Amino acid sequence: AQTVTQSQPEMSVQEAETVTLSCTYDTSENNYYLFWYKQPPSRQMILVIRQEAYKQQNATENRFSVNFQKAAKSFSLKISDSQLGDTAMYFCAFMKHRSGTYKYIFGTGTRLKVLA
Amino acid sequence: DTAVSQTPKYLVTQMGNDKSIKCEQNLGHDTMYWYKQDSKKFLKIMFSYNNKELIINETVPNRFSPKSPDKAHLNLHINSLELGDSAVYFCASSRTQSGQGANVLTFGAGSRLTVL
Repeated sequence: AQTVTQSQPEMSVQEAETVTLSCTYDTSENNYYLFWYKQPPSRQMILVIRQEAYKQQNATENRFSVNFQKAAKSFSLKISDSQLGDTAMYFCAFMKHRSGTYKYIFGTGTRLKVLA
Repeated sequence: DTAVSQTPKYLVTQMGNDKSIKCEQNLGHDTMYWYKQDSKKFLKIMFSYNNKELIINETVPNRFSPKSPDKAHLNLHINSLELGDSAVYFCASSRTQSGQGANVLTFGAGSRLTVL
């Protein structure tokens, strides 16, 4: 069974600094998708970034980028130039499609606090 | 023009009651989901429907019954509510075909259920 592990329950970073959130996963599959979602205090789940496992190039979205290491089954999120609005829970997620079933498995989350 | 809308956002009720949460998406997505987020923020899949057909039914008590009248709606009915049902319930949808934006979960704002 697939599992997703986020080993950092809480992190903090100074405004304008860079922070990296860790995520590892366990799967025997070769093709799958990985995601980072953000949940601010408003409770809304928002997609941050997406990575297809067959793509070697790391995904980037403005200040957000990932370090995808397929062999190591690692998918870390780097936030550059952190802003106060980045304060949120961050969830790493794994998705595998099989026989018409799309199942997303989420990690336990990392609570990030950006300090002024 | 909310993409995935859930009602109600907050629900407070007594043990033993029956309640429903409604979900609608206007994105034209073919798959809809219900997730439960507990007090520790852990997100767990409950159900998934693809084109109105149930495709994922995790280990959820049969007091929980999803209903999908059409592809744009997935409602959750809960019978005989228990204290442990208190949580935030998220509806989500995705487009499962290939291409830009495929397989990305779009979440509703969540429905906080409190059972007294």
